[in-house]
Amino acid sequence: GAVVSQHPSRVICKSGTSVKIECRSLDFQATTMFWYRQFPKQSLMLMATSNEGSKATYEQGVEKDKFLINHASLTLSTLTVTSAHPEDSSFYICSASLGGYTFGSGTRLTVV
Amino acid sequence: DAKTTQPPSMDCAEGRAANLPCNHSTISGNEYVYWYRQIHSQGPQYIIHGLKNNETNEMASLIITEDRKSSTLILPHATLRDTAVYYCIVRQTNSGYALNFGKGTSLLVTP
Repeated sequence: GAVVSQHPSRVICKSGTSVKIECRSLDFQATTMFWYRQFPKQSLMLMATSNEGSKATYEQGVEKDKFLINHASLTLSTLTVTSAHPEDSSFYICSASLGGYTFGSGTRLTVV
Repeated sequence: DAKTTQPPSMDCAEGRAANLPCNHSTISGNEYVYWYRQIHSQGPQYIIHGLKNNETNEMASLIITEDRKSSTLILPHATLRDTAVYYCIVRQTNSGYALNFGKGTSLLVTP
């Protein structure tokens, strides 16, 4: 079946630094990938839709200059959290669609 | 996407069947019912989906009422590893848009 690999699984960074999260479709090509954020005891909230070769589409309230998305190939999308703050600490999850929807295992970001 | 309503939490004894309900009274004719679950600190996992017929796979069964306004996910013999948040999502297949997650049902399987 379709597999989506997400890396790293957890990362701790200092305030003001940037962190890059990778999402790869291992056995299929994904022209569209999705990025979600999940705070403790809450549901997944869609942040943005990543389209290969074009600009991402961000949900209302998500800062596109803070959460940089690059989808340069059909198998890789990256999310960079720039100038991270403690309130950016969250669980970030990517997803790709091939018929159904497959999710990465998530990245736990802690900003200290 | 049609709105879904699920109970916030449920308990189930290990080895018994877990029946998770979902209401989707505004579902349209071309929308499918999808079920996903999320075990703590992991990405969501696909369970099953259906349009109008009942479906069964190695993980679960999906029972959809004849009017399609509600459905039930059945885990026939729940184990401790089935403890997770279960999400019922209604949407057209291959729409190209992201899945929108509600609050889901937190299922606790107890020994």
